[in-house]
Amino acid sequence: AQSVTQLDSHVSVSEGTPVLLRCNYSSSYSPSLFWYVQHPNKGLQLLLKYTSAATLVKGINGFEAEFKKSETSFHLTKPSAHMSDAAEYFCVVSDLVTGGFKTIFGAGTRLFVKA
Amino acid sequence: EPEVTQTPSHQVTQMGQEVILRCVPISNHLYFYWYRQILGQKVEFLVSFYNNEISEKSEIFDDQFSVERPDGSNFTLKIRSTKLEDSAMYFCASTLAGEQSETQYFGPGTRLLVL
Repeated sequence: AQSVTQLDSHVSVSEGTPVLLRCNYSSSYSPSLFWYVQHPNKGLQLLLKYTSAATLVKGINGFEAEFKKSETSFHLTKPSAHMSDAAEYFCVVSDLVTGGFKTIFGAGTRLFVKA
Repeated sequence: EPEVTQTPSHQVTQMGQEVILRCVPISNHLYFYWYRQILGQKVEFLVSFYNNEISEKSEIFDDQFSVERPDGSNFTLKIRSTKLEDSAMYFCASTLAGEQSETQYFGPGTRLLVL
């Protein structure tokens, strides 16, 4: 069965320090993996996605994620946090099922950035 | 940049009342989705819609729910007789194609409170 686990509900970093948001998944086939960000009162915005091409995926705003099949992980990183990065981040798996595909969200990780 | 819009942003209703949540997907998109997020819980898939038909629905999407594309731009979710447990944030999304790897574009959500 498909599932997504975001290992931290909250992460707090200082501005200028690295960000690591962790995501593990399980899937039946070859999944597509996404990271979305949600700022207050805004819709979920795509940061990046993995769709079976390069395992290191670069996204917007300096974020990147590495697909590691052996570890079933898709952790999101950024070398240097900015105050504007404070938001909720969702790891999402889209997996093939009979007749179509299924989209499953992680529980979300709230990122706090301290000045 | 085109975006998905949702109205209203907040809705308060009495238990047993009908509510209609509205979404305007991106204009050239063909696939539409509704998700909900109960406070403190994960985002859950409700239904997908293509070519004026429901293509997939979850166990949550029971007879109290219905979706419609009444004209060329709106996509609505109706809850016929609301229950307390329907209180949640409801997100609409759209995609150009119905592939597993497609990026879903989300609206900002409607927060529904059932009293």
